[in-house]
Amino acid sequence: DQQVKQNSPSLSVQEGRISILNCDYTNSMFDYFLWYKKYPAEGPTFLISISSIKDKNEDGRFTVFLNKSAKHLSLHIVPSQPGDSAVYFCAASANNNDMRFGAGTRLTVKP
Amino acid sequence: EAGVVQSPRYKIIEKKQPVAFWCNPISGHNTLYWYLQNLGQGPELLIRYENEEAVDDSQLPKDRFSAERLKGVDSTLKIQPAELGDSAVYLCASSLFSGGSNEQFFGPGTRLTVL
Repeated sequence: DQQVKQNSPSLSVQEGRISILNCDYTNSMFDYFLWYKKYPAEGPTFLISISSIKDKNEDGRFTVFLNKSAKHLSLHIVPSQPGDSAVYFCAASANNNDMRFGAGTRLTVKP
Repeated sequence: EAGVVQSPRYKIIEKKQPVAFWCNPISGHNTLYWYLQNLGQGPELLIRYENEEAVDDSQLPKDRFSAERLKGVDSTLKIQPAELGDSAVYLCASSLFSGGSNEQFFGPGTRLTVL
């Protein structure tokens, strides 16, 4: 069962513009959310996270927004850079249990 | 600091053959995870170790898959016999502590192709 969904398999953005990656979840018990970034032939690397007690977390160019009522979170990258081109995975966990991952969104940032 | 090391990086075998993957986690990380990643999908947990104890293996197909983490450090994941549907990337990850709020560090994965 897909408890974490990333409905956009790909996204293309111009360098300098904002990239917005979306993620929806179905399990209302999820209380911690993470974004991982994956380059080809490498494992995913942690990018940013947010607890359900917050609705926003910012780290440099990366901001994650959480809308609990809509069971939706998004990752904003501003400004986007060509080096941001990668696959981005949304993940969620409940009660500090194991993470569930979405299928990923491939971001391409064009120079 | 060295990251999570996995070997081999690529493996091609014929169906019904056995195969084994090896993982060396980050030094000091008590928790080790094996994930399966199918093409176009996110990682799915197969098994989680806390030190040498397998604390969550509910998603591991035990008829053909086995894993061990002797001495609570390195780990090996084995498939015997392999089936065509086992073709995927097998990722190993480790974290200092267990739990979804603890950052997991992933290795590069082993890409398995079963012919």
